[in-house]
Amino acid sequence: DAGVIQSPRHEVTEMGQEVTLRCKPISGHDYLFWYRQTMMRGLELLIYFNNNVPIDDSGMPEDRFSAKMPNASFSTLKIQPSEPRDSAVYFCASSWDDDNQPQHFGDGTRLSIL
Amino acid sequence: QQQVKQSPQSLIVQKGGISIINCAYENTAFDYFPWYQQFPGKGPALLIAIRPDVSEKKEGRFTISFNKSAKQFSLHIMDSQPGDSATYFCAARRYAPLNTGFQKLVFGTGTRLLVSP
Repeated sequence: DAGVIQSPRHEVTEMGQEVTLRCKPISGHDYLFWYRQTMMRGLELLIYFNNNVPIDDSGMPEDRFSAKMPNASFSTLKIQPSEPRDSAVYFCASSWDDDNQPQHFGDGTRLSIL
Repeated sequence: QQQVKQSPQSLIVQKGGISIINCAYENTAFDYFPWYQQFPGKGPALLIAIRPDVSEKKEGRFTISFNKSAKQFSLHIMDSQPGDSATYFCAARRYAPLNTGFQKLVFGTGTRLLVSP
């Protein structure tokens, strides 16, 4: 079975540019999560969706960040405009509609903002 | 109260030795404690999890020990192997019966384990 697929794997861009990260969850999973991982703050939950609907975006750091899930097989996380402090590894994860099922993580997008 | 404190930050163990990683929490509502393993360039993957109705859970060389009164839990890796070299995260969450609402995972800060040959 294909796991969670993220693209791109690496992104290097200049400050001020728009960045779009993409995620394809595991087919049939009802929950989708976006995390950010940094050395300083560890793994932080940014936002999660249930059945394509955003449920909790309290972890989104600023209005520069936005996430969408137009259908069950695709989600985007957008940063506009990007800043150097946004540099991090961004993970997408998905799980079944059972709160106690494990979250399956993608391999992440390593984002560097110059 | 939502934090999970993890130690040590890094650990070096010789092959065949025992690796021990500790976590502590404050929120007494937490009652589901998973451990995730992350290899370089990969996302975290669930390794083993425990609920506090048991004090220990073992899966192969990996064991979780749980001390509810102390609000602490730990991961033991017996007979550590170079292939176990990875970053390990503890996490905690309220155990949620089906359809009662999602409970967020709170992650520890991670322990980088290196098992020397």
